[in-house]
Parts: sequence; C-alpha cells; structure tokens
Amino acid sequence: KNEVEQSPQNLTAQEGEFITINCSYSVGISALHWLQQHPGGGIVSLFMLSSGKKKHGRLIATINIQEKHSSLHITASHPRDSAVYICAVRWRGGATNKLIFGTGTLLAVQP
Amino acid sequence: NAGVTQTPKFRILKIGQSMTLQCTQDMNHNYMYWYRQDPGMGLKLIYYSVGAGITDKGEVPNGYNVSRSTTEDFPLRLELAAPSQTSVYFCASRAQEAGKNSPLHFGNGTRLTVT
Repeated sequence: KNEVEQSPQNLTAQEGEFITINCSYSVGISALHWLQQHPGGGIVSLFMLSSGKKKHGRLIATINIQEKHSSLHITASHPRDSAVYICAVRWRGGATNKLIFGTGTLLAVQP
Repeated sequence: NAGVTQTPKFRILKIGQSMTLQCTQDMNHNYMYWYRQDPGMGLKLIYYSVGAGITDKGEVPNGYNVSRSTTEDFPLRLELAAPSQTSVYFCASRAQEAGKNSPLHFGNGTRLTVT
C-alpha cells in the first residue's frame, strides 16, 4: 500500500463542472503539496498547506489532519485545467527533505 | 528570473554510455533535488543537496552521482547508463526557511531513453 493514495486515478469532466481530487496519506505530516503537471511535462506547485484551506483563483485546497486527507477542488473547470494533479506529503519526524509523492490524477476537461 | 533550468530536454543513450543532466537555478535556493518519474509511479528522490558542497542520497541513488560546487548548479551524472534508467528526470529547488516549509520549484524535465 502506498503511503500517499490519490483518487480517482483518471477523471473526465465537462467544461464548467466542479471537480474534486482526493489525497489520503498514512503518516504524520508537516505539510502537504498539490502540484500540477501539464502534458508538456513541466511541474508547477499549486498549494502547500499544513492545516485548513487555501484558495487561489478557481482552485481550492483543503486538508483534514485528523483524518489524514486532503482535497483539491476546481470550480468552473476549463479545458486548460487538463493536467495531472499530484499530491505530495512531507512527513513529520523524517528527513526534512523527504517528500512522498502520490501517483497523480489525470484530469481531462472536455469543451 | 528563469527559475529552474534543466538541459537537455531529451536524450537517447546507448547502454554503458555516460552523460550529465544539467540543472541550474537563479533563485539563490539552498535546497536542490533530483527526482525521477516512471510511468504509473510517484516521483522518487535520487539525490538532494542542502547547500554548496553538501549532497546526500535519496531513495533511489544507485547508478547516479551528483555534485554541488555552487549554489546555482546541481548536475546529475549517469556513469554507465542502463535501460532501468530510462525515465523522466526532474530537478527542483526550494528556499531554506527556518521552521517553515517552502514550495518546490521544478525544472521542465529531461526525458532520457537508454537502449
């Protein structure tokens, strides 16, 4: 079992839909990252959070430390949101440089 | 700022050849990382560095070497390329902030094929 599990693995949505991507982890963490990887391959950091909720434009990330769960929401989805979304956790008590990555959620938003 | 720059973008190697993947950043970040990304797998840490002159192994260091002679540059060396090293390689950096986590900045990746 992976220490970081994402669901779903693949998601197809229609433009305008509200999208939720989930991330569950099994270790105590100091921070959780959401990353976006576009078809061209580059990876961009979207959010880093250790508690509560963060919002940037149409993207919202939440985390529940007690339940070891985070969600990434996209409101009013658009085809340009099509990408792989990756969750990564920095586990508490381990090497400060160790991130554990999920395998990603492939999102396709159709016009 | 250019951010994190990786070269080359693509490379095909024959088994046993060697090469260096270049990574440079202009953000004065202390921490730098090399990851590999294989299909269906999460990114795996190969090597990392917390500052010039300091490097350490990650989860999958075998077959690779690194150096960090300057803050800006963190090259990854493959000495004897093997098919198992076919992968996409990402370099990343982040600032050192005492007691705080800081976001990662990634390069655009190098797609390496070993045949």
